[in-house]
Amino acid sequence: GENVEQHPSTLSVQEGDSAVIKCTYSDSASNYFPWYKQELGKRPQLIIDIRSNVGEKKDQRIAVTLNKTAKHFSLHITETQPEDSAVYFCAASIIQGAQKLVFGQGTRLTINP
Amino acid sequence: GAVVSQHPSWVICKSGTSVKIECRSLDFQATTMFWYRQFPKQSLMLMATSNEGSKATYEQGVEKDKFLINHASLTLSTLTVTSAHPEDSSFYICSARARTDGHEQYFGPGTRLTVT
Repeated sequence: GENVEQHPSTLSVQEGDSAVIKCTYSDSASNYFPWYKQELGKRPQLIIDIRSNVGEKKDQRIAVTLNKTAKHFSLHITETQPEDSAVYFCAASIIQGAQKLVFGQGTRLTINP
Repeated sequence: GAVVSQHPSWVICKSGTSVKIECRSLDFQATTMFWYRQFPKQSLMLMATSNEGSKATYEQGVEKDKFLINHASLTLSTLTVTSAHPEDSSFYICSARARTDGHEQYFGPGTRLTVT
């Protein structure tokens, strides 16, 4: 089955700097890669997603890149703000299949003012 | 749109008792609902996939007789933790996939279960 590895587990950056979180996946059939932000005790919130027919997607300060050949994808947050502090999870699934999401281990991002 | 609710938001129960958690899609029909468990400072682990009108599919290592899932309608799925033990204490989160949406899952707010 699918296995998703995420790193780093913790990341601390100065406000205004950029943050990058990376994930690798094992199943080449996976074709949908969402990123979630989770605050303590809250539900995961989808912040951006990418499908395998696209190499990059951007939404304001957030961007995701996908390298299908290497089976890895990354989340980029620019101009970080204190409210970006949270735990971020990557995930992978197969759209046409059972559509089960396999999550990475999570990255605790702290933005230092 | 695409709101998913869970009830209760938190529950404390005694060891050996059963607890039922409800997951509802409020403004859309969900063909598939997923149940996850999240221990403190850990990731979400899929427990089972539930399709309306059929038996749930459980992930490896999840006891189907302990975690009973019922998906009786296109807007409601329930998870019953039977004979709960302290090690079942966790954050249980459901998600729902809309009938007309191919891939996005909408998450409920989660239920914090504490077994004493």
